[in-house]
Amino acid sequence: AQKVTQAQTEISVVEKEDVTLDCVYETRDTTYYLFWYKQPPSGELVFLIRRNSFDEQNEISGRYSWNFQKSTSSFNFTITASQVVDSAVYFCALSELQTGANNLFFGTGTRLTVIP
Amino acid sequence: DAGVIQSPRHEVTEMGQEVTLRCKPISGHNSLFWYRQTMMRGLELLIYFNNNVPIDDSGMPEDRFSAKMPNASFSTLKIQPSEPRDSAVYFCASSEEGTPHETQYFGPGTRLLVL
Repeated sequence: AQKVTQAQTEISVVEKEDVTLDCVYETRDTTYYLFWYKQPPSGELVFLIRRNSFDEQNEISGRYSWNFQKSTSSFNFTITASQVVDSAVYFCALSELQTGANNLFFGTGTRLTVIP
Repeated sequence: DAGVIQSPRHEVTEMGQEVTLRCKPISGHNSLFWYRQTMMRGLELLIYFNNNVPIDDSGMPEDRFSAKMPNASFSTLKIQPSEPRDSAVYFCASSEEGTPHETQYFGPGTRLLVL
């Protein structure tokens, strides 16, 4: 079973629109960590955020915000006033403390295209 | 500070040839990871090291793949002999400690094409 599900394969928005990328995770651990990474067309993976399972406070960083809801096992990512430079594939990932392995389980990614 | 460094950035080789990918982790990081990214399988962990010691190599696909970390600042991933199905982007990542909660920082990747 997929530990991380990103149901949106591709999203296109017009510049300045807001967009939310969904991430649903599955784990039995009580302690776990969630991450978002950005992969722009150049190919590198850029770390965006890490959140632990005990911190449900939403986070805002500039135009980026994250909504963590344990009740729905979701960790959604919103970009406000999108820009062309936001075009990339975005990956959500899960790390489980009790698994014993230092393994990041990645979702399949959401390709965001921002149209000028 | 320099990030994770990988070389080469692109590699084109013929089936049967040996391929060696190289990685220099972020200075001071104790854990190093090798991932493979393909369209079919997404991002997969191949192996990871903690303090230069291989901890989990269960993701290494076959005996044709081997990885070493002779010191804290260098690791190699070798494929011998290479096959067309090995074509992928190979990422190296490092983190400060060998624990799941640490953030992994990725290198730019090596795009491998085996003809």
